Amino acid sequence: RKEVEQDPGPFNVPEGATVAFNCTYSNSASQSFFWYRQDCRKEPKLLMSVYSSGNEDGRFTAQLNRASQYISLLIRDSKLSDSATYLCVVGGQAGTALIFGKGTTLSVSS
Amino acid sequence: NAGVTQTPKFQVLKTGQSMTLQCAQDMNHEYMSWYRQDPGMGLRLIHYSVGAGITDQGEVPNGYNVSRSTTEDFPLRLLSAAPSQTSVYFCASSHRDSYNYGYTFGSGTRLTVV
Repeated sequence: RKEVEQDPGPFNVPEGATVAFNCTYSNSASQSFFWYRQDCRKEPKLLMSVYSSGNEDGRFTAQLNRASQYISLLIRDSKLSDSATYLCVVGGQAGTALIFGKGTTLSVSS
Repeated sequence: NAGVTQTPKFQVLKTGQSMTLQCAQDMNHEYMSWYRQDPGMGLRLIHYSVGAGITDQGEVPNGYNVSRSTTEDFPLRLLSAAPSQTSVYFCASSHRDSYNYGYTFGSGTRLTVV
């Protein structure tokens, strides 16, 4: 079983749509959780951290369910500029490296 | 601040050649890592370091060496390049205390081995 699993997509949605991405992780000792965004042929960039209580940043909402080892990202009112690959990322204890999922590709069309 | 700087941005090697991919950060980050990214495979960890003088292997370390003689630099050495090492290589760093705030990535090195 892969440490971090995501549905690769692609997700093709019209502008204004709401889209949700899911991610599962295998290591129950994981302690930090993130969503990164990666544009074509660019480096990954941190989109948001994910907290147990859930957190929101504008149109983006992230949720974490430690019992189910499940992370989600909800994007509301999709924009053309949201088209990218979204990476689910999990970290263990301090001193261990972050583990990346393979990413979910989103394409928003007008 | 320059952040994380990777050089070169592009490189073509012949099979069997060796080379060093450079990574430098000016943020005084303790943690540094090297990942490779291949189509359909996501980012895979090659080697990482939690501080100067300390390195450890990741998921795909074979064919690569690293050293961390200073906090700022974390070079990745390809000992004898093979076509299977054709990939995009990313270096990343973070503070120990801000580990929970994720990594800062360099812009990548696109390597082709022919």
